[in-house]
Amino acid sequence: GAVVSQHPSWVICKSGTSVKIECRSLDFQATTMFWYRQFPKQSLMLMATSNEGSKATYEQGVEKDKFLINHASLTLSTLTVTSAHPEDSSFYICSAILGPSNQPQHFGDGTRLSIL
Amino acid sequence: QKEVEQDPGPLSVPEGAIVSLNCTYSNSAFQYFMWYRQYSRKGPELLMYTYSSGNKEDGRFTAQVDKSSKYISLFIRDSQPSDSATYLCAMSDSNYQLIWGAGTKLIIKP
Repeated sequence: GAVVSQHPSWVICKSGTSVKIECRSLDFQATTMFWYRQFPKQSLMLMATSNEGSKATYEQGVEKDKFLINHASLTLSTLTVTSAHPEDSSFYICSAILGPSNQPQHFGDGTRLSIL
Repeated sequence: QKEVEQDPGPLSVPEGAIVSLNCTYSNSAFQYFMWYRQYSRKGPELLMYTYSSGNKEDGRFTAQVDKSSKYISLFIRDSQPSDSATYLCAMSDSNYQLIWGAGTKLIIKP
């Protein structure tokens, strides 16, 4: 149980393109979903927290207009990297929790984004 | 000083050895403690989840929490080459936001 699916797993696109990443909880309804960014050989950096039907809460230093998050249902959250540039290239990972906030986060397999 | 300290390694041990991975922390409010395993280019996979102090065992894995010392451990018995990965500790207080260790890269040599 507690399976989180993330799509696509890898995307390469030109600078200036907008890229959408989907995160789905397959076998549970996620009260809260999280978006992380991970640089090589580093730990996870939380970008934002989203609850279904409400605006995402962004961490300090994360540009809201650059990284658009939509949590339209209890099983789907999307992250759109708008007008992507090479410095946005990274590994993006989503996670979700089921039920109370003290439950552990379950992660998707991540999306490798490469901007040329 | 970071809230959570974890030796990045790499830690290299022979197959079959007992592995000990550790994290220390400074915030006494942390109550929930997790260990995740992350293979290269994959998302973290939850291994162990414990609340407060004590031990928890699941197959070859044992998690220990010592709140008095602000120290948590993950033991892996009969280590296998497939256990080679980065192991991340994470913890939180009553809020859901996780505070992560840097991750320890583990290498099990056949």
